[in-house]
Amino acid sequence: ETGVTQTPRHLVMGMTNKKSLKCEQHLGHNAMYWYKQSAKKPLELMFVYNFKEQTENNSVPSRFSPECPNSSHLFLHLHTLQPEDSALYLCASSQGFGASGSYEQYFGPGTRLTVT
Amino acid sequence: AQKVTQAQTEISVVEKEDVTLDCVYETRDTTYYLFWYKQPPSGELVFLIRRNSFDEQNEISGRYSWNFQKSTSSFNFTITASQVVDSAVYFCALITQGGSEKLVFGKGTKLTVNP
Repeated sequence: ETGVTQTPRHLVMGMTNKKSLKCEQHLGHNAMYWYKQSAKKPLELMFVYNFKEQTENNSVPSRFSPECPNSSHLFLHLHTLQPEDSALYLCASSQGFGASGSYEQYFGPGTRLTVT
Repeated sequence: AQKVTQAQTEISVVEKEDVTLDCVYETRDTTYYLFWYKQPPSGELVFLIRRNSFDEQNEISGRYSWNFQKSTSSFNFTITASQVVDSAVYFCALITQGGSEKLVFGKGTKLTVNP
């Protein structure tokens, strides 16, 4: 089983649509992350969850709404997006973080989102 | 604030050449971790290495080697005898302990290995 899976792999949506991205990790990790990767921009961290609790919201617009029902699943709910939100959305997971150190993050294949 | 600079935007080499990808980081924290990731055309970021700030030993893994120098705040990555399959975008990243779990990435270096 691949470590981190994401569905769908490709998504085209209109600005008035509502859709959700799904991420699942099979690594027994405790932390999960959403990143956005746009052309010509560095990878941007969006949200961080540790033991299902959101610990970071990197000033993300409210049209992006994350949900983490358990340590293995992470969703990104999308509504009324703008064309500039078109990007590759990457999910990642890690063993955790804190006093014991920072562990490497393992990434999924990403969802290529196009907003029309 | 943390920052990672990868000054080389694109590098093109011929197969079997050695190539070094540069990474310079900035942080005021004394405890931090450095990473290298590979992103092939398929899009998935592949973890290559993690290094903590207290371990300056260089590391070699097959054709890959990493040179960590705190004195120059650099964490360079060398591929020996490059192969076409090494073609990808390579990202250097930094995270500091004690703050939020925010992995700061460089802009990446696109490596093309030609046959």
